[in-house]
Amino acid sequence: EIVLTQSPGTLSLSPGERATLSCRASQSVSSSYLAWYQQKPGQAPRLLIYGASSRATGIPDRFSGSGSGTDFTLTISRLEPEDFAVYYCQHQLTFGGGTKVEIK
Amino acid sequence: EVQLVESGGGLVKPGGSLRLSCAASGFTFSSYSMNWVRQAPGKGLEWVSSISSSSSYIYYADSVKGRFTISRDNAKNSLYLQMNSLRAEDTAVYYCARENWNDGGRAFDIWGQGTMVTVSS
Repeated sequence: EIVLTQSPGTLSLSPGERATLSCRASQSVSSSYLAWYQQKPGQAPRLLIYGASSRATGIPDRFSGSGSGTDFTLTISRLEPEDFAVYYCQHQLTFGGGTKVEIK
Repeated sequence: EVQLVESGGGLVKPGGSLRLSCAASGFTFSSYSMNWVRQAPGKGLEWVSSISSSSSYIYYADSVKGRFTISRDNAKNSLYLQMNSLRAEDTAVYYCARENWNDGGRAFDIWGQGTMVTVSS
């Protein structure tokens, strides 16, 4: 069973800063099945990135995904106020534990 | 508008049963695999169950196997989750989610707003 470990657990940053979120798989995985989601309080998750690096429809280009094998990264180039949320990575049917991006 | 709307959540006693529904609109429901994903209060996302477009393939998380049953009615554009022998640890918001392939990548691209299930005496 593949385990996805996200780090850090919490990221404290200011608007305009760059956010780098990590998702590490316990064994090598296919990039085709690696996705990232954003979830705000009281809301359903929203797909941001699929196939490790492809942006979903309507997702701003400040969000980018990269990586392969066991190490994947979600980067938010310049944080906007609406980007403060929890982010989850997913491979197949497994989700990571999430990274909370909070306002510093 | 592409939409998923869950219903059927509520308060149930341990050992009880509940049936969740998910109504789909705005897309060809019968062409997509569908999933249930849950989130316990203050916790992360946990996949619960999947069903293929024609119901040929069905999968469950070990935590619900033997207690939950997923089904769909393509004529009614609806997805269901029958939950039996409910436990306190099943307390969560339950989301239905569409599974989609795009440009060689698979993900859950459409999510409902969720329905809360509380198991408590």
